[in-house]
Amino acid sequence: DVKVTQSSRYLVKRTGEKVFLECVQDMDHENMFWYRQDPGLGLRLIYFSYDVKMKEKGDIPEGYSVSREKKERFSLILESASTNQTSMYLCASSFSREVSQPQHFGDGTRLSIL
Amino acid sequence: GQNIDQPTEMTATEGAIVQINCTYQTSGFNGLFWYQQHAGEAPTFLSYNVLDGLEEKGRFSSFLSRSKGYSYLLLKELQMKDSASYLCAVIDSNYQLIWGAGTKLIIKP
Repeated sequence: DVKVTQSSRYLVKRTGEKVFLECVQDMDHENMFWYRQDPGLGLRLIYFSYDVKMKEKGDIPEGYSVSREKKERFSLILESASTNQTSMYLCASSFSREVSQPQHFGDGTRLSIL
Repeated sequence: GQNIDQPTEMTATEGAIVQINCTYQTSGFNGLFWYQQHAGEAPTFLSYNVLDGLEEKGRFSSFLSRSKGYSYLLLKELQMKDSASYLCAVIDSNYQLIWGAGTKLIIKP
């Protein structure tokens, strides 16, 4: 089974802090994704990566950056956290760009910015 | 704009059948996914449809009509553990996933 592990289940940070969310997958997947999930909204894509050191902006990249130095690890960075970034953050991976390949998700990090 | 519509919440009885609908208006279509998400857990893959018709997988079936921009997830012999949110997602012409807000399904004994 694919395992996608996010470093923290719950995180509380203060406004203006730099926040790092880590994600690791153990199945040699090419693609990795960061989403945020808010009540009443569908998953919104922040950034994604199809290869090491490669990144692409998703629908809502403002205020975020990412890093993919190794194939198995994809980090999301909040450069200067703000209260409107309080959310559930989900990391996902998929085997290839083949459209039928499902994404496999981590359990999420519930981030609160005070 | 792109839009995926699902009912916000549904209630059903243990042992019964429930149908969760998803309608979509997207720029192109390259497939539709259904995921299940228990509260506080990761979404997990249920099904993928790209051709019209019904795909059956045990107690769960998924239907697609591309001409109507419509899909449904059918859950039979409902069990308490089926209480979860069900997410519909469409792959558009740019091969991006567009997600619905999800349907929270409550199963009552």
